[in-house]
Amino acid sequence: DVKVTQSSRYLVKRTGEKVFLECVQDMDHENMFWYRQDPGLGLRLIYFSYDVKMKEKGDIPEGYSVSREKKERFSLILESASTNQTSMYLCASSGQGPRETQYFGPGTRLLVL
Amino acid sequence: AQSVTQPDIHITVSEGASLELRCNYSYGATPYLFWYVQSPGQGLQLLLKYFSGDTLVQGIKGFEAEFKRSQSSFNLRKPSVHWSDAAEYFCAVETTGGGNKLTFGTGTQLKVEL
Repeated sequence: DVKVTQSSRYLVKRTGEKVFLECVQDMDHENMFWYRQDPGLGLRLIYFSYDVKMKEKGDIPEGYSVSREKKERFSLILESASTNQTSMYLCASSGQGPRETQYFGPGTRLLVL
Repeated sequence: AQSVTQPDIHITVSEGASLELRCNYSYGATPYLFWYVQSPGQGLQLLLKYFSGDTLVQGIKGFEAEFKRSQSSFNLRKPSVHWSDAAEYFCAVETTGGGNKLTFGTGTQLKVEL
């Protein structure tokens, strides 16, 4: 069974803190993705990685950075958390090439106070 | 740029009734289209996908979707809804430029009345 896991289901942080969200996949997938999900806005792509140490900005990268040191792990970093980054964060992975299915983790609900 | 529109934010149906969730896309070439479902507190699960060929696509959990190029639509259907189908449903189109990136619609929240 394919599996994408995220380090936390719920997280509460203070404004200005540095926040790390971790995602691990066990499918040997090349592609990994970080999305943000907000009511009425659907899923929006923050960052995408197509290989170790390779990354590409998505639609809303401002305020975020990512790290991919190993193939199975993709981290999302909020350098200085702000209240407008309170959201649900979803990680996904897929094989390379078009038409590959993206597999999603359960999500991390982040509250920034 | 590609875009996906799901015009219905909320839909309520009675258990056992039929269901149709609407999805319209904007894309120049033949699109790669997906429907995902998100149960409460869960990540997204793929229901079905369309790439080419037969325009009626069968998916899991008894769902199907029909691709209509003339209407730029990819509507999701189920003949008889079960209470466990209550969830949020997302339509998505694969983005040009490679990388298997998806553009998602804003989602439709389905409520099932018993």
